[in-house]
Parts: sequence; C-alpha cells; structure tokens
Amino acid sequence: DAEITQSPRHKITETGRQVTLACHQTWNHNNMFWYRQDLGHGLRLIHYSYGVQDTNKGEVSDGYSVSRSNTEDLPLTLESAASSQTSVYFCASSNIAGSTDTQYFGPGTRLTVL
Amino acid sequence: AQSVTQPDIHITVSEGASLELRCNYSYGATPYLFWYVQSPGQGLQLLLKYFSGDTLVQGIKGFEAEFKRSQSSFNLRKPSVHWSDAAEYFCAVGVRGSTLGRLYFGRGTQLTVWP
Repeated sequence: DAEITQSPRHKITETGRQVTLACHQTWNHNNMFWYRQDLGHGLRLIHYSYGVQDTNKGEVSDGYSVSRSNTEDLPLTLESAASSQTSVYFCASSNIAGSTDTQYFGPGTRLTVL
Repeated sequence: AQSVTQPDIHITVSEGASLELRCNYSYGATPYLFWYVQSPGQGLQLLLKYFSGDTLVQGIKGFEAEFKRSQSSFNLRKPSVHWSDAAEYFCAVGVRGSTLGRLYFGRGTQLTVWP
C-alpha cells in the first residue's frame, strides 16, 4: 500500500546542531508539505513543494530549509537548531500539482532541542 | 488571508451523547473544507471533506458535517459518541481555484469522552 513515512520518529539534539528530518511518500504525489504542531497553535506551515526542484516558504520558515530532488522525498533541515524549534513535525502530501486537494499525513517526528 | 476558527479548545461529552464541533472560516468565496482527526501520538487522518454538491457530507466513523454558506461554517457532528472518538479534531480550509494547493488549519478541538 502507498504511504507516507517520517524518520526518525523521535529525536533529541543540542542547540546549534544541524538536524534533518526525512519524509518519504510512495503515492507519487506532486505536492509535499511540512508543518509543525505546537500546543495552542494547531498546525503551521513551514515549507512546501509542488514538484521536483520547487520549494516555497510557509508562514514559519525561518531557521528551516527543504530541497526536492525527486518526487518521493522532501527532507526538512534545521540549519542550527534552537530550543524554540522543539515541536512535533508533520509531513503531508497531496496529488494534484498546483491545486487544492486532500492532504495525507505522516505519523510525525517529535523533536526536542536541548 | 484565509483563517479558520475552532471556538472550542476542549469539549467533554459522555459516551453515547451527541457531538457537535464548530468550525468557522474567513474567505470570500466557497472554499474546500476538511475535517481531520488526530489520535494521541498519531498523524492526522481525513474524516470527511466538502468540495461541492450536497452540503451535508458523510465521513468515516459515523461523522458528518454540514456546510452553511450563510454562516461560513462547517460543523462536525456525530449522533452518538464512542469512547474511541476521544482525540483532537482539526478543521481545514483550502482555497478554491488556487494554484497554491495549501490548506489552512484551525487550532484544533480536543475531545474527551466520559464512560
């Protein structure tokens, strides 16, 4: 069955370290999204991509970067982790390029920055 | 900019009671509307969606939602709640005709079910 996976599921890191969270989907979806979830804030969009070599900033993109070298993967990189980036991170994908469609979510990565 | 409001942060109901979770949105035209559910430690699962047509939408797990254009609302309902429905529920809005493809999420409503 097609799915979307995230790794690691849990990560503890130190302030200032570079961290990369992986997201892999096997639906061959064009659109991929990264959100962070914090208590009282719901889901906030970090970055998104509509296809290979395309990336766009969301409303909370500072301190994060993404790259899309193939259809299946959209890794999220924290260049220099900060305590404010302690959160649960969700990756999602949807099918129709450049159009609103149902998003399918991965299981999440819980990141703790000490 | 689009916004989604879920006025109730936390709702508690007894098992077997009816449930209504509220969602209001701010957008000039009819949007695409979604309800997702998140169980503890899990990702978000789609419950139902409205794109067009009948304004009463049926979803999984016995949930339904009604789109009311005049009230800019898309409230989620279930006639009889089960203990397994305890979870967090998110309403989301997508812009019709947009090339951006993104969704805007409410802050969520936490549902507790008493036995």
